[in-house]
Amino acid sequence: QKEVEQDPGPLSVPEGAIVSLNCTYSNSAFQYFMWYRQYSRKGPELLMYTYSSGNKEDGRFTAQVDKSSKYISLFIRDSQPSDSATYLCALQTDSWGKLQFGAGTQVVVTP
Amino acid sequence: DTGVSQNPRHKITKRGQNVTFRCDPISEHNRLYWYRQTLGQGPEFLTYFQNEAQLEKSRLLSDRFSAERPKGSFSTLEIQRTEQGDSAMYLCASSLGDPQNIQYFGAGTRLSVL
Repeated sequence: QKEVEQDPGPLSVPEGAIVSLNCTYSNSAFQYFMWYRQYSRKGPELLMYTYSSGNKEDGRFTAQVDKSSKYISLFIRDSQPSDSATYLCALQTDSWGKLQFGAGTQVVVTP
Repeated sequence: DTGVSQNPRHKITKRGQNVTFRCDPISEHNRLYWYRQTLGQGPEFLTYFQNEAQLEKSRLLSDRFSAERPKGSFSTLEIQRTEQGDSAMYLCASSLGDPQNIQYFGAGTRLSVL
């Protein structure tokens, strides 16, 4: 079993819909949680960073962490075709260390 | 552009050849990470530097792989005697080492071993 599980998709939604993405993890030592966006043939770009349970909002993006259930989510409101990309969750056990990524979920927003 | 720079962007080589990739981190970032990403998967950690010191190596980094960061600035990743299984995107990231230690990624070097 992988330490971080993420549904690879693809997830297809119409423009304007809410996109809901999630990851589950097995190692309770993970303390830092991130979401990266990766366009085709590009490097990952950080979207959200959090280290506590609860919600964090930034514009159209909301990250949710539930440490008790070992479950993290990313919501994208008012989705746009430009949001079409692969979304990767990334976790760390300590702030200086390596990132443990999920497999990534491919999102397609259709006009 | 002051982001993480990786060269070359794409490398095609024949099996058994040696290849070297370069990563130039964001200026003043003291931490530098190498990851490998295969199609349909998330990046996997390979190794990490704090300044010029290599602090951690993954079991994925076989004896054919070596990474250096000689002056604590740019880094190189060399693969000797390449195999078809080495075909992947090699990503470099750097961070400032502040409490959040956010890692910023380059565009990657795509290696194709024929």
